[in-house]
Amino acid sequence: DGGITQSPKYLFRKEGQNVTLSCEQNLNHDAMYWYRQDPGQGLRLIYYSQIVNDFQKGDIAEGYSVSREKKESFPLTVTSAQKNPTAFYLCASATASGTKAYEQYFGPGTRLTVT
Amino acid sequence: GQQLNQSPQSMFIQEGEDVSMNCTSSSIFNTWLWYKQEPGEGPVLLIALYKAGELTSNGRLTAQFGITRKDSFLNISASIPSDVGIYFCAGRLSGNNRLAFGKGNQVVVIP
Repeated sequence: DGGITQSPKYLFRKEGQNVTLSCEQNLNHDAMYWYRQDPGQGLRLIYYSQIVNDFQKGDIAEGYSVSREKKESFPLTVTSAQKNPTAFYLCASATASGTKAYEQYFGPGTRLTVT
Repeated sequence: GQQLNQSPQSMFIQEGEDVSMNCTSSSIFNTWLWYKQEPGEGPVLLIALYKAGELTSNGRLTAQFGITRKDSFLNISASIPSDVGIYFCAGRLSGNNRLAFGKGNQVVVIP
């Protein structure tokens, strides 16, 4: 069964701690994305990667970091520098070329609560 | 980043009714996508549109790529309770490999 998995579904952390959110896909997609979703807001792009070992900042990258060491995996670290980290985090992937290159498929999300 | 305009924010409809929503922008888009998100879950891709004027259906859902390429429309016919959710539009600008998203329309179906 092909798809995108994010774990864990719920994550709780104390303020000042770094936390890493997992995102894995077995769709053989080249491109992967991290979004943040807050109530009443659309999806805001944090980071994206079009190819292994390369990634670009999105609109709200401050306080976050990513790595792309494998095609299947794109973990997101929420650092203590992120001022307001409590949110719903969504990972997505897409093929990087062809007509369907921009059809992003989303994982189930991770709800992070920092207190 | 580029924002798309979706209104109204919430729609309350009777079961069996049709519902239409639109997504507009001041910019020209090459691709329009429509997603549905249920509470606590990730968005699910419903329909993708690639050409101006294109009309595509997925079951009771029909979406259109506006002729001006600055808007797109989604129609749900004969609504049922499981249509409840937030419907997002997304668009891609020419030469850009990112998507811009609307803030979503919350659809509530009243039995």
